[in-house]
Amino acid sequence: AQSVTQPDIHITVSEGASLELRCNYSYGATPYLFWYVQSPGQGLQLLLKYFSGDTLVQGIKGFEAEFKRSQSSFNLRKPSVHWSDAAEYFCAVGPNFGNEKLTFGTGTRLTIIP
Amino acid sequence: DTGVSQDPRHKITKRGQNVTFRCDPISEHNRLYWYRQTLGQGPEFLTYFQNEAQLEKSRLLSDRFSAERPKGSFSTLEIQRTEQGDSAMYLCASGERGEETQYFGPGTRLLVL
Repeated sequence: AQSVTQPDIHITVSEGASLELRCNYSYGATPYLFWYVQSPGQGLQLLLKYFSGDTLVQGIKGFEAEFKRSQSSFNLRKPSVHWSDAAEYFCAVGPNFGNEKLTFGTGTRLTIIP
Repeated sequence: DTGVSQDPRHKITKRGQNVTFRCDPISEHNRLYWYRQTLGQGPEFLTYFQNEAQLEKSRLLSDRFSAERPKGSFSTLEIQRTEQGDSAMYLCASGERGEETQYFGPGTRLLVL
């Protein structure tokens, strides 16, 4: 069964500092990987996705993520955070070959301090 | 492209009442998904449709839950005899077969008193 672990429940960073959010997955085949962001009371917005090819993927709002098969990781990074980046971030795996659901991690809440 | 829309955005009901939520997907998308998100958790898959056919249902979808997509366009999710444990955000997403990204709506937040 596929699963996603986001080990950091809550992260606080200063505005302008760099950010890395961790994501580890368990999947029996080549995974499709996603990062979504959720502002309070809102739905999910897709930040970026990895299907195949270049393991460093670029997304919206200046975010990037790197797929590392050997570590089963797909960490999200941003070189300089803005106050508007404060939100909940979810990593997800799937769907693939008949398994149509996305499996999400429990999320990482990001707080930005001035 | 107006995105995925959901109605209502918020619903407060009393235990034992029935509620129905609506989801309108992105117009050209043939797949529609329902997820449930409780406080402090990630979304959990409930069910999905390919056009009007319901192809998979999660074990989370008890017999009090029913979902339909009668004409392959909008979908409804009904919860009968609501319980306090049904309080959650209900998220709808749509996508296209062969393009694996799912696009989410704003959600319907349900509170059962």
